[in-house]
Amino acid sequence: DTEVTQTPKHLVMGMTNKKSLKCEQHMGHRAMYWYKQKAKKPPELMFVYSYEKLSINESVPSRFSPECPNSSLLNLHLHALQPEDSALYLCASSSLGGGISPLHFGNGTRLTVT
Amino acid sequence: GIQVEQSPPDLILQEGANSTLRCNFSDSVNNLQWFHQNPWGQLINLFYIPSGTKQNGRLSATTVATERYSLLYISSSQTTDSGVYFCAVHSINTGTASKLTFGTGTRLQVTL
Repeated sequence: DTEVTQTPKHLVMGMTNKKSLKCEQHMGHRAMYWYKQKAKKPPELMFVYSYEKLSINESVPSRFSPECPNSSLLNLHLHALQPEDSALYLCASSSLGGGISPLHFGNGTRLTVT
Repeated sequence: GIQVEQSPPDLILQEGANSTLRCNFSDSVNNLQWFHQNPWGQLINLFYIPSGTKQNGRLSATTVATERYSLLYISSSQTTDSGVYFCAVHSINTGTASKLTFGTGTRLQVTL
């Protein structure tokens, strides 16, 4: 069982819709991440929150808007997405920076943009 | 930035066989992690291994940071080992501690 919980598991949305992905962890981790993964590719880092503050934005388009309401929760707000944004979106957490402590992933949200 | 290459890209094994997966990286690292992604997309952290050797059941990993490679050994493979194996590294030249670079992955299929 994963200790990082993501909802929903699957999401289908139109290009004009607004939706949100949610992620929760109760391991006391202070770093949380959003990754995007296309088929047959490795995960690509999108955002990092450290101590509830955005520390890394990998030049992600503004139609993706992250939010960290508290140390256990991470959201990704989606608006006006394009079909090429269809992918597996993975949330992860770590006790310190992911470069120096183990990274724990959620099960992901499989997003389809129609 | 750091380059991370994994080999082989694809591997088919019969159940019970052993295998070695390799991860080469182009710069000095202070951390390396191995992950298994199952066919349903779940990514599991197998090892956190900046150097040395670790074992966990049928799996073991060795990282030789000075020579810029890591190996993942799978013994007595089972069909549940199928999926994609990624290594991910943190370069000491990365300005932030939070940025892992993932390798290209090895896709493993274990058959009966």
